[in-house]
Amino acid sequence: EVQLVESGGGLIQPGGSLRLSCAVSGLTVSSTYMSWVRQAPGKGLEWLSVIYSDGQIQYADSVRGRFTISRDNSENTVYLQMDSLRADDSAVYYCVRSRRWTTPFDYWGQGTLVTVSS
Amino acid sequence: DIQMTQSPSTLSASVGDIVTITCRASQTISTWLAWYQQKPGTAPKLLIYDASYLQSGVPSRFGGSGSGTEFTLTISGLLPDDFATYYCQQYESISPTFGPGTKVEIK
Repeated sequence: EVQLVESGGGLIQPGGSLRLSCAVSGLTVSSTYMSWVRQAPGKGLEWLSVIYSDGQIQYADSVRGRFTISRDNSENTVYLQMDSLRADDSAVYYCVRSRRWTTPFDYWGQGTLVTVSS
Repeated sequence: DIQMTQSPSTLSASVGDIVTITCRASQTISTWLAWYQQKPGTAPKLLIYDASYLQSGVPSRFGGSGSGTEFTLTISGLLPDDFATYYCQQYESISPTFGPGTKVEIK
């Protein structure tokens, strides 16, 4: 059974940093594409970043330069380092898997809530 | 980025109804389109991929069609479990994008 379990969310002040983790079981993160998608309260879904199986990385314009995706193959875990956080970064952050290029997000974590507020 | 739109934004329907949701892309995406169902407090669930293929385990009352820039999701015979928000998503480009969602409510 495939499981994606996010952690690391919480309340953070504007300008602060937070690192989200996504512990994966049932598949190997280095052999697939892993992304982060967020959803602001009451809003739609926004893709943020992907790390490909070959290690290449892409970011959405809204987070490029502030967020960094990475993975630890030995821990089978994907991370999202979030810096210079703003109020509009408040959202539930989901870790998601796609098999390869031009495939949908077939596995989702349960999400972790990030609230940016003073 | 490829922009996705959905209509309607809200749909009121009764159990047993056939409902159709439309999704449009700002440029052609071939059939690189998925549909997701999301219930409050839970993660989205993949229903349809490649515009018309049913994800494993998804009931056959869900169907998808379309190609290019216009797509539809049809639910044939709405059940109480189907009241939720539905999102389309394109994965043709490096930056996947989602539609704004269609909420299917009980009439």
